[in-house]
Amino acid sequence: GQQVMQIPQYQHVQEGEDFTTYCNSSTTLSNIQWYKQRPGGHPVFLIQLVKSGEVKKQKRLTFQFGEAKKNSSLHITATQTTDVGTYFCAGDFGNEKLTFGTGTRLTIIP
Amino acid sequence: EAEVAQSPRYKITEKSQAVAFWCDPISGHATLYWYRQILGQGPELLVQFQDESVVDDSQLPKDRFSAERLKGVDSTLKIQPAELGDSAMYLCASSFLESSPLHFGNGTRLTVT
Repeated sequence: GQQVMQIPQYQHVQEGEDFTTYCNSSTTLSNIQWYKQRPGGHPVFLIQLVKSGEVKKQKRLTFQFGEAKKNSSLHITATQTTDVGTYFCAGDFGNEKLTFGTGTRLTIIP
Repeated sequence: EAEVAQSPRYKITEKSQAVAFWCDPISGHATLYWYRQILGQGPELLVQFQDESVVDDSQLPKDRFSAERLKGVDSTLKIQPAELGDSAMYLCASSFLESSPLHFGNGTRLTVT
C-alpha cells in the first residue's frame, strides 16, 4: 500500500541545536502536510506544501518539498523547549486522503 | 478559534463491552474523519465522511466498528464488542474541503481491560 516513511524515529538535541526530520514516499505525492503533536495533545497543523521544490518558512521552521514530490523535510533552527513534541508528515497521494508518517519525537535537553 | 469537540476524553471498558465516541466538527466543515492512533505511531484513518456520506471506510474493521453522521454534522463511532487490541487514542478531525488541513479534536483515550 501507499506508505510515508519518516526518519529518525527519535531525536534528542541540546537546546539551541538544530533539528531535522525527513519524510519519504515511494510514489509521487500531490501535496504534503506537517503536523506537531505535543505530549498528551492532539496533532496541530503546521503547513501544507504543494509545489515541486517548494520551500516555506515559519520563524525558525523551514519546510521543503522535493523536486520529485516524493520527499519532504522539516528543519528547526536553534531549538527551544517549546519545540518538544512529535512531528508528523502526512502525504496526499492524489486521492485527497492523508497518510501519516510514523513521526519523529523530539526531546530537548536544557 | 473554533474547535472540534470530542467526548468522552477518557474511556475504560471491559473487553466484549460496547463503547461509543462522539464528535462535533467545526461549523461549516463538510469533511469529517475518525483516526486511531496507537501509542508511538501516527494516526491511521478509520473512516471519512463527506457531509453524511461515507467516502472511505476501507480501514474500518466493520465486523465490530460502525460510524455514522446522520445529519451531516456530528458523528458517532461505535465499537461492539471491544477487544484488548482496540486500546488507543481515537481522534476526530474535520476540514473545510477534502484537501484542506485537518483540525483535530482532543481525542478519546480508550483503554480496554
